[in-house]
Amino acid sequence: LAKTTQPISMDSYEGQEVNITCSHNNIATNDYITWYQQFPSQGPRFIIQGYKTKVTNEVASLFIPADRKSSTLSLPRVSLSDTAVYYCLVGDPYQTGANNLFFGTGTRLTVIP
Amino acid sequence: DADVTQTPRNRITKTGKRIMLECSQTKGHDRMYWYRQDPGLGLRLIYYSFDVKDINKGEISDGYSVSRQAQAKFSLSLESAIPNQTALYFCATSDLDDRGLNTGELFFGEGSRLTVL
Repeated sequence: LAKTTQPISMDSYEGQEVNITCSHNNIATNDYITWYQQFPSQGPRFIIQGYKTKVTNEVASLFIPADRKSSTLSLPRVSLSDTAVYYCLVGDPYQTGANNLFFGTGTRLTVIP
Repeated sequence: DADVTQTPRNRITKTGKRIMLECSQTKGHDRMYWYRQDPGLGLRLIYYSFDVKDINKGEISDGYSVSRQAQAKFSLSLESAIPNQTALYFCATSDLDDRGLNTGELFFGEGSRLTVL
């Protein structure tokens, strides 16, 4: 399993764009990158998943460089409600016979008024 | 109503007691998981099941057992609870895509907070 490294915490002011970077130097050819968001006392919630280049949905964008050894979750114009822990996961979602989604410690984002 | 429901939401028990945490889902997913979350340690996988007759150990299965009673139900048991099993426990489900492959998206319940004194 590819190990991921994220900053432990980040602060941002409301209205700013926030970029959270995840390092995964040992990512395998079949691995995808998935990000989850977790609010206090709630289960994590899927945000976005990608394999290469850029993926965008209504919540966030995911930027993956050509070497795929890192990825950046971009949250546009954050609000106070975006305060949460964000997890970066790397694994092959199509692998059968085993669950390959392991959560690390995540990045605690605090949005400041 | 939540798609993935966990009961109880909070439980305080004493060392040596048997505890069962229950999970039920209305999403129709075959795959179900139990995770444990401790402060500063993220989530760790305890057990997972890909269908009713399938049970697999995860990263930290010692001291736990599970039962997949039906597609919609997956229970986690602590046969003899100990204080270091105090944690927040999450049940999750995942689905397969049209090709029969795991989509990689997990759907979590709201968690069960267990305190062992």
